[in-house]
Parts: sequence; structure tokens; C-alpha cells
Amino acid sequence: GENVEQHPSTLSVQEGDSAVIKCTYSDSASNYFPWYKQELGKGPQLIIDIRSNVGEKKDQRIAVTLNKTAKHFSLHITETQPEDSAVYFCAARRYGGATNKLIFGTGTLLAVQP
Amino acid sequence: DADVTQTPRNRITKTGKRIMLECSQTKGHDRMYWYRQDPGLGLRLIYYSFDVKDINKGEISDGYSVSRQAQAKFSLSLESAIPNQTALYFCATSDSRQGVWNQPQHFGDGTRLSIL
Repeated sequence: GENVEQHPSTLSVQEGDSAVIKCTYSDSASNYFPWYKQELGKGPQLIIDIRSNVGEKKDQRIAVTLNKTAKHFSLHITETQPEDSAVYFCAARRYGGATNKLIFGTGTLLAVQP
Repeated sequence: DADVTQTPRNRITKTGKRIMLECSQTKGHDRMYWYRQDPGLGLRLIYYSFDVKDINKGEISDGYSVSRQAQAKFSLSLESAIPNQTALYFCATSDSRQGVWNQPQHFGDGTRLSIL
């Protein structure tokens, strides 16, 4: 089955710097890769996602890149702000996607220091 | 996501007790999911349901059962709770009408369950 590894487990950056979180997946048939942000006491919220037929996607300060050959994808946050502090999860979904089953990474605690 | 409501938000109980966690949604989505979150392990799928008559096991269904009482309601039960079921539990929904590609999952704010 699919396995998703996420690194680093914790990341501390200064406000204004960039942050990068990386994930690798094992199942080459996976074709959809969402990223979720979880704030304290809240459930995960989708912040950006990418399909396997796209190499990069941007939404303001957030971008995701996908390398299908290497089976890894990354979340990039530029000009970080204190409100970006949260736990971030990557996930992968295999096509046959009728089940819409997501396999999650283990999470990255991002701390943005003011 | 306020459209996905989980009750209770916190629960402390004893080993051997039967526990029910409830999830209701006003999003009109047909699919619902139950996840468990443990530190360092991310979220793992317990059960999922495509509609009222369709229930499926996820990665870690042992010790759990579910009931889809209506399209908007999906409950998770622990028949005889044990301490290693102490975790944060999340309910999620998705809309199959959005198609295979664009079907994000929307999460509730979770139930923190402690079993002594």
C-alpha cells in the first residue's frame, strides 16, 4: 500500500523567511497530493493541492511542486508570518480514487519566530 | 470547518466503557470519514462511508464500529474502550459530485478522547 514520509518533523524560521516541507510517496499510481494546515484545537484545513499531471501550483505565498519521477512533492511558503505557525500535513491519494482514500504524512510543526 | 460538527469535543472515560462519537454535517456531502490522529503518526483512516448504505473499513478499523444514520450523520463507536485508543478523532466529508479530481476532504475540529 501507499506510504508517505514527511520531513522535517519540526521547522523553525524567522518571520519573512521561506519554509519548505518535503514529502515522498511510495505508490507510483498516486495522482493527487493535498496539503493541510492544522492550527491548535482545530481540524486540518486544505490549503493547496496538486494533481499528478501538473508540476507546480501557486496560491499567493504558498506553492507546491511535484516530481513524479522521484516520487516526491514539496510545500513552499514564502515571506512567512506568525500566523503561518501550525502543523502541516501532506497526503497522497491513489487513483481508483473512487474511494478518495488519503494517506497522510506524519506532520511538520512549523514555528515562525517574530 | 463549522459545517462539520463533532460531539463531544472532549471525553474522558474508563477502560471497558462503550463510547460513541458523533459527527454531523450541513455541507450536503455524500461521503464521510473517521480518522484517528496520534502524535508522530499523522492521521489514519478508521472507516469511511459513501452513502447511508455503504460502509467500508479503513486502515485501522479493529476495535471500532460506525453507523451512518442519515446522509448528514456518521457516528463512531468504541464498544469496549482501551487505553491505546486514547487519541484525537476527526470526522471529514467530501462530495463525490465534484468528481474524481476535485474532491477535497473537509474536517471537523475533532474529539479529544482519553481512556483511563
